[in-house]
Amino acid sequence: QVQLQESGPGLVEPSQTLSLTCTVSGGSIRSSGYYWSWIRQHPGTGLEWLGYIYYTGSTYYNPSLESRVSISIATSKNQFSLKLSAVTAADTAVYYCARGDNCSGGGCYSGFGSWGLGTLVTVSS
Amino acid sequence: EIVMTQSPATLSVSPGESASLSCRASQSVSSNSAWYQQKPGQAPRLLIYGTSTRATGIPARFSGSGSGTDFTLTISSLQSEDFAVYYCQQYNNRPYTFGQGTKLEIK
Repeated sequence: QVQLQESGPGLVEPSQTLSLTCTVSGGSIRSSGYYWSWIRQHPGTGLEWLGYIYYTGSTYYNPSLESRVSISIATSKNQFSLKLSAVTAADTAVYYCARGDNCSGGGCYSGFGSWGLGTLVTVSS
Repeated sequence: EIVMTQSPATLSVSPGESASLSCRASQSVSSNSAWYQQKPGQAPRLLIYGTSTRATGIPARFSGSGSGTDFTLTISSLQSEDFAVYYCQQYNNRPYTFGQGTKLEIK
């Protein structure tokens, strides 16, 4: 069974870049049919999908953050990463990495079946 | 983007009873909807996808129905471990979006 684990700084200063990595174990990030996503949850509120990457490097970002977000992949390390630039306090959230299942043609059709535990990132000076 | 609206915000039900949670999409998402359960301090867990297909290992007391813009998650014979927050999600259109959640609490 695939497992995902987020890692990265828990505190980022305003205007800096938030950087997180998700390490995938129990399966290959190169497997077809899966898109690798980042999702965040502001304290006490709902879920916001940030974007995904396919093992080929193809990406799609949420338009609400597109100017600030970047997702990359390191297939040799079975990892994918998130960068969010020019952060403010509004970017304080728990960040999850997740796997979209049954994906093709830009869409995933079986929801997010595997999630990391999540990591809290606080933006503060 | 498609807005998913869940109701009610909080639902109080006694153990052993059934609960029905609603989700409405701002435009049709066909059958491309999912439900997740989240407990405090945990990541969301996929319960239902394709509107009505239970994910691996999900008990049969969880069922999903609907199509187009209106979806329902029904939990029959509520167990103590079912009291949590539930989110619906659409994956018909990017960006994928979630509802704001329904908190299912013990009455």
